[in-house]
Amino acid sequence: SAVISQKPSRDICQRGTSLTIQCQVDSQVTMMFWYRQQPGQSLTLIATANQGSEATYESGFVIDKFPISRPNLTFSTLTVSNMSPEDSSIYLCSVERGSAGELFFGEGSRLTVL
Amino acid sequence: AQSVAQPEDQVNVAEGNPLTVKCTYSVSGNPYLFWYVQYPNRGLQFLLKYITGDNLVKGSYGFEAEFNKSQTSFHLKKPSALVSDSALYFCAVRELYKLSFGAGTTVTVRA
Repeated sequence: SAVISQKPSRDICQRGTSLTIQCQVDSQVTMMFWYRQQPGQSLTLIATANQGSEATYESGFVIDKFPISRPNLTFSTLTVSNMSPEDSSIYLCSVERGSAGELFFGEGSRLTVL
Repeated sequence: AQSVAQPEDQVNVAEGNPLTVKCTYSVSGNPYLFWYVQYPNRGLQFLLKYITGDNLVKGSYGFEAEFNKSQTSFHLKKPSALVSDSALYFCAVRELYKLSFGAGTTVTVRA
């Protein structure tokens, strides 16, 4: 398994502002994944963050809205920019471990945008 | 099209009864399949995985899952459910470098 710490655990934000979520892993990992879980919904992959290169974004997600940093092999940040109420979600950081590439998740960051 | 489907939004069982949460998949080749559980206000916890080999996979907290290639299913099971098993359960399949998740099934175990 992996110990993954996310900050903040929750926040209430105003429309039009930006918030940066931090993810710290207890050991070095090649890829880190950022997922979004909208209220009552499943998980959707936002992007994959590799150290030393730009993040790879999934269809429907763009760097201007969700800029990601990956400065080293144990840390990543996801920024949710110019927030609107539709961005109210749980944002989850995850890393890959194990023989089948199973993911292990942080506790998530629950954002509410007013 | 969804790669995994969880046909039931909700499953309700009495404590002590068997619990089954259904999942079907639609990927080509040999699938890597997973089950996760999410307790209220928590992140996802890994339960078990199927890569190859025995069709019956055992995981955490007394859960097991049965892989059925002919029916393209990977149902999660527990012989005797506990109230503490009440949670949201996700089936997932590996597609290239990422996991794709089903819509989730809310399990409620009543005392």
